[in-house]
Amino acid sequence: QSVVTQPPSVSGTPGQRVTISCSVSASNIGSKTVNWYQQLPGTAPKLLMYNYSQRPSGVPDRFSGSKSGSSASLAISGLQSEDEADYFCAAWDDSLNGRLVVFGGGTKLTVL
Amino acid sequence: QVQLQESGPGLVKPSQTLSLNCTVSGGSISSGAYYWTWIRQHPGKGLEWIGYIYYSGNTYSNPSLKSRLTMSLDTSGNDFSLRLTSVSVADTAVYYCARGSYHKGFDYWGQGILVTVSS
Repeated sequence: QSVVTQPPSVSGTPGQRVTISCSVSASNIGSKTVNWYQQLPGTAPKLLMYNYSQRPSGVPDRFSGSKSGSSASLAISGLQSEDEADYFCAAWDDSLNGRLVVFGGGTKLTVL
Repeated sequence: QVQLQESGPGLVKPSQTLSLNCTVSGGSISSGAYYWTWIRQHPGKGLEWIGYIYYSGNTYSNPSLKSRLTMSLDTSGNDFSLRLTSVSVADTAVYYCARGSYHKGFDYWGQGILVTVSS
């Protein structure tokens, strides 16, 4: 089963661009897909990005995703106070036990 | 608009069985290739994937929970359920149900239900 690692926290000022990394331990990152979720305080997570870089309808284009080697990244440009939240990446892992999902530990974004 | 709603007891005693139900509205649970999923979040912690049941009835579980976990689908009630046996305080968490697909992630979530394991 894959291990998915995120930094515990990042911060930025309004208007700034921040990135959150998601490292997936796997020798074949190409067989997986990564999604990103935003969780505002006291609410259920919300899908922010799927298939590394695809935005669901309604997600502002300030949010973008990318894949680089064995990592995925989420970038937020034009940072706003309402972006302050926890962000989780999730990797879908095809294994002998089937198609499993592993979440990263989450990254708390603080808008200073 | 698809909506999911968890239901079940908020308090379970240690060693007993935790049973939760997720009712789906705005779409049929048996249409489309979706993974009907359970995810939990321990207090103040990150998300943990519990497992999912495919629309065909096949199930896939987190290896760490597999021996205690049963999931089922009720197409007539348009809902799906989770049973976790031999619970301990370590199973205290907010439990979410969600709809997922490999290519589009978990796109709809329930609001979550807090389950406390305590005597």
